[in-house]
Amino acid sequence: GENVEQHPSTLSVQEGDSAVIKCTYSDSASNYFPWYKQELGKRPQLIIDIRSNVGEKKDQRIAVTLNKTAKHFSLHITETQPEDSAVYFCAASRSGYIPTFGRGTSLIVHP
Amino acid sequence: DAMVIQNPRYQVTQFGKPVTLSCSQTLNHNVMYWYQQKSSQAPKLLFHYYDKDFNNEADTPDNFQSRRPNTSFCFLDIRSPGLGDAAMYLCATSRDGGGETQYFGPGTRLLVL
Repeated sequence: GENVEQHPSTLSVQEGDSAVIKCTYSDSASNYFPWYKQELGKRPQLIIDIRSNVGEKKDQRIAVTLNKTAKHFSLHITETQPEDSAVYFCAASRSGYIPTFGRGTSLIVHP
Repeated sequence: DAMVIQNPRYQVTQFGKPVTLSCSQTLNHNVMYWYQQKSSQAPKLLFHYYDKDFNNEADTPDNFQSRRPNTSFCFLDIRSPGLGDAAMYLCATSRDGGGETQYFGPGTRLLVL
């Protein structure tokens, strides 16, 4: 089955800095890679996703990159703000298979 | 505009007393999932339904059961809750199986006394 590794487990940055969270996956057939943000006590919510037919996707301050050869994908947040503080989960899946989540990264943005 | 609704939001039960958590969705999605999430951990999949087909994860304890009477509703039954079952229980849906975005409900926080 699929195995997703996520690093780091905790990331502390100053407001305005960039943050990068990395995930690797094992199943070369995986073709969908979502990122979820979970604020304390709230539900996970999709913030960005990427499919295997593209290498990068951006949405304002958030971007995701995918390297299919190396089987890793990363979340990039620029100009971080205190409201970006949350736990971020990556996931990998393919058609007909249930998504596998990473262990999560706790991002702390200091004002 | 709520798309995935869970009730109750907070549930307190006694050790060994059965409890049922409910989830409903307005998205008409085929797949419904139940996850258990403990503090500072990733959601752990308990089981999922693809339409009426039930799929149990190998390590889900027998103490946990589920029902999906129709497309919109799904229930999680904990037959004899133990202290270790205290957690947030998240329901999620997706239009189809893998390769689709999951939409999560707000969760039910279960406390076992």
